[in-house]
Amino acid sequence: KAGVTQTPRYLIKTRGQQVTLSCSPISGHRSVSWYQQTPGQGLQFLFEYFSETQRNKGNFPGRFSGRQFSNSRSEMNVSTLELGDSALYLCASSLAGSSGGLADTQYFGPGTRLTVL
Amino acid sequence: QKEVEQDPGPLSVPEGAIVSLNCTYSNSAFQYFMWYRQYSRKGPELLMYTYSSGNKEDGRFTAQVDKSSKYISLFIRDSQPSDSATYLCAMSGSQGGDGNDMRFGAGTRLTVKP
Repeated sequence: KAGVTQTPRYLIKTRGQQVTLSCSPISGHRSVSWYQQTPGQGLQFLFEYFSETQRNKGNFPGRFSGRQFSNSRSEMNVSTLELGDSALYLCASSLAGSSGGLADTQYFGPGTRLTVL
Repeated sequence: QKEVEQDPGPLSVPEGAIVSLNCTYSNSAFQYFMWYRQYSRKGPELLMYTYSSGNKEDGRFTAQVDKSSKYISLFIRDSQPSDSATYLCAMSGSQGGDGNDMRFGAGTRLTVKP
């Protein structure tokens, strides 16, 4: 079974630009969560999508948005990039994402490393 | 105060040593406790999963949860250079389809020297 894939793996942008990251979950997984990982803050939850609906949201500004398609693939968009947005963006998928047990354990992709200059 | 606290290290040990990694947390609703291992330039991978209090052993790895103290540990016996990675603790608590409520520690960077 193929794992979670993320594209692109690396991205360099300049301040003020916008960026779109893509995530393909494990086949059959309906929940996709996005995280930002930085050395100082660790893994921070951005949002979760389930069946094309945002079900949970972390404490990030509105510049961070996402969506999920009918095939469970998800995209994350960051507008008006700031230097502080440089991070590893991780996508994780699970069957249902409800923390109801091991079946809902999240599996992570390799991440997209975003550098903002 | 963060919901989950984890010493970021770095931690360096000689090959064969016993490694102890720890996290503390403040939210008593957490019931599911996980340890993820993250190699450089990779996403985290699930290493151990524990429900509620107690111990769980898997090969050289042992996970312990003490809910009364809000403290979890991961022990690695006979550590190997291939264990060199960042170890993240994670925990969650809700049920019933409330969605993702996982919270992660900052991660401890471990180096096992040959």
